[in-house]
Amino acid sequence: NAGVTQTPKFQVLKTGQSMTLQCAQDMNHEYMSWYRQDPGMGLRLIHYSVGAGITDQGEVPNGYNVSRSTTEDFPLRLLSAAPSQTSVYFCASSYRGQTGPAYEQYFGPGTRLTVT
Amino acid sequence: DAKTTQPNSMESNEEEPVHLPCNHSTISGTDYIHWYRQLPSQGPEYVIHGLTSNVNNRMASLAIAEDRKSSTLILHRATLRDAAVYYCILRRSSGGSNYKLTFGKGTLLTVNP
Repeated sequence: NAGVTQTPKFQVLKTGQSMTLQCAQDMNHEYMSWYRQDPGMGLRLIHYSVGAGITDQGEVPNGYNVSRSTTEDFPLRLLSAAPSQTSVYFCASSYRGQTGPAYEQYFGPGTRLTVT
Repeated sequence: DAKTTQPNSMESNEEEPVHLPCNHSTISGTDYIHWYRQLPSQGPEYVIHGLTSNVNNRMASLAIAEDRKSSTLILHRATLRDAAVYYCILRRSSGGSNYKLTFGKGTLLTVNP
């Protein structure tokens, strides 16, 4: 299994540009999520999905859109990039445990985004 | 949501045990205690979790206080590869937010050779 993969690894955008960060997992996990990590900070949840066709907002959703048309893929769209969105973005996935989400989330390697 | 408090940084020597503390005085009865770690330039990695009883796995041990208001992650013999930021996280076991992990700043562990 490749686990959780993210593309691209690095990206530089100009203010106002849009782009999509890709995330895919091959573990048949129902749960997927996007986090951002600013320098010296912990991760903050942007959006998450509990299954194909179902998404919900996390802690910092403004400026980002998501959709989940398949179990495997969970892309994150930046609608109009701003310097405040300069960050490292991590995608994570998890299977369903006996009483809800499983205890272990698997994280991708991250996408480092710079907005100038 | 219940919050956790961890020291900003700790140091250890290689091959010695490391005890990483976490305070969570407002923990609720349905909150699981999770530990993740993040090696430099990598995504977080699951370490261990528990509810009430102490837990052991191949990576570490988790000691949970009887009143559950604090816990300690124990690395039995630190190696240079254990140098990372360690996050103590509470996750609800039920309800609409039971999927969310809320990361604080964590503890930066430095391991000296």
